[in-house]
Amino acid sequence: DIQMTQSPSSLSASVGDRITITCRASQSINTYLNWYQQKLGKAPKLLIYAASSLQSGVPSRFSGSGSGTDFTLTISSLQPEDFATYYCHQSYSTPHTFGQGTKLDIK
Amino acid sequence: QVTLRESGPALVKPTQTLTLTCTFSGFSLTTSGTCVNWIRQPPGKALEWLARIDWDDDKSYSTSLKTRLTISKGPYNDQVLLKLTNMDPVDTATYYCARIPPFATSSYAMDVWGPGTTVTVSS
Repeated sequence: DIQMTQSPSSLSASVGDRITITCRASQSINTYLNWYQQKLGKAPKLLIYAASSLQSGVPSRFSGSGSGTDFTLTISSLQPEDFATYYCHQSYSTPHTFGQGTKLDIK
Repeated sequence: QVTLRESGPALVKPTQTLTLTCTFSGFSLTTSGTCVNWIRQPPGKALEWLARIDWDDDKSYSTSLKTRLTISKGPYNDQVLLKLTNMDPVDTATYYCARIPPFATSSYAMDVWGPGTTVTVSS
């Protein structure tokens, strides 16, 4: 199975900050990397697919980059509604796998 | 509008078999490229991908759970079933189903998720 390692596991930031979350795959996954946001008690929501494509309806302050084994999710200017947990997901091969999550909270 | 909704028992006993149903609308699982996945999340823990069934009935499973899992299409064209045998308290989790849309071959991203159903395993 492909292992996905996210860092950091938690992050404290302020409204207006720019933050970056990284995700590393244990082998090359091309750009089969997706990012989800999950708020407490809710289902995950797709933010970024194919490493860098913004899902319809997602604000442009979210962006993704990377290919191969190293990927990043960037939020350019944090808004109050962005405080949540973020997961990366590799869909290069089955079984699909998720990162362990990054919890983003308010400083 | 695409929607999915999970249903099943909220409480199961150890050693029992769990059967969950994902009922969906707004898309067809017979459309080429469409897939439905099951994912679970134990309380306070990360997401865990469980299984996927494709439009052509191809199936994929979690390596660690494949001997216990069965995914299948329901008797009508709007349901996907998941069976997990020999339930244990560590299987306590919220179980989600999610769609991979047609033409998503560049990503296989799950674009719409159900709200989830919580299953507790306890005697």
